[in-house]
Amino acid sequence: GAVVSQHPSWVICKSGTSVKIECRSLDFQATTMFWYRQFPKQSLMLMATSNEGSKATYEQGVEKDKFLINHASLTLSTLTVTSAHPEDSSFYICSACDREPYEQYFGPGTRLTVT
Amino acid sequence: GQNIDQPTEMTATEGAIVQINCTYQTSGFNGLFWYQQHAGEAPTFLSYNVLDGLEEKGRFSSFLSRSKGYSYLLLKELQMKDSASYLCAVSGSNYQLIWGAGTKLIIKP
Repeated sequence: GAVVSQHPSWVICKSGTSVKIECRSLDFQATTMFWYRQFPKQSLMLMATSNEGSKATYEQGVEKDKFLINHASLTLSTLTVTSAHPEDSSFYICSACDREPYEQYFGPGTRLTVT
Repeated sequence: GQNIDQPTEMTATEGAIVQINCTYQTSGFNGLFWYQQHAGEAPTFLSYNVLDGLEEKGRFSSFLSRSKGYSYLLLKELQMKDSASYLCAVSGSNYQLIWGAGTKLIIKP
């Protein structure tokens, strides 16, 4: 159990376009979902925390207007990278948790390349 | 501030034992997690400790001392596939995970 999927697994887009990444909890209801970004050889960087039906909480330095997060249901959260630039190229990972001890179950990640 | 420290890199030999340490200073504590992350992949859960002591799960064990703000992950009978980064994360006062930078473990034949 506790499977989290992400789609797409990789995407290449042109600078200036927008990309949407989906994160789904397949066999449990996720009260909270997290979005991370990871650059090569660096640790996970939390971007935002989202709870179903409410606005996401963004970490300091993360532009909320650029990284739009929608947590429409207990099983789906989306991250939209708007007006993507090459510096947005990274590995984006979502995670979801349902109850204590609030273990985070990770999706497989989405590798975004902006050309 | 909140801080989690773990060694950047460690090297060990196939079949041996290795201990990866993690020290933390956080506001609030709701448990400590260890995750394994292979290059290019998402992290996978290894262990969770919220009480002092040792938790054993097959070849992997995790230890916690809350009074010392210290944990370690012990890997026995190392296999080449254990080459990965090992991430220590603490669940803080709001249950949000605070991540260490990870320890890259290199296994040599």
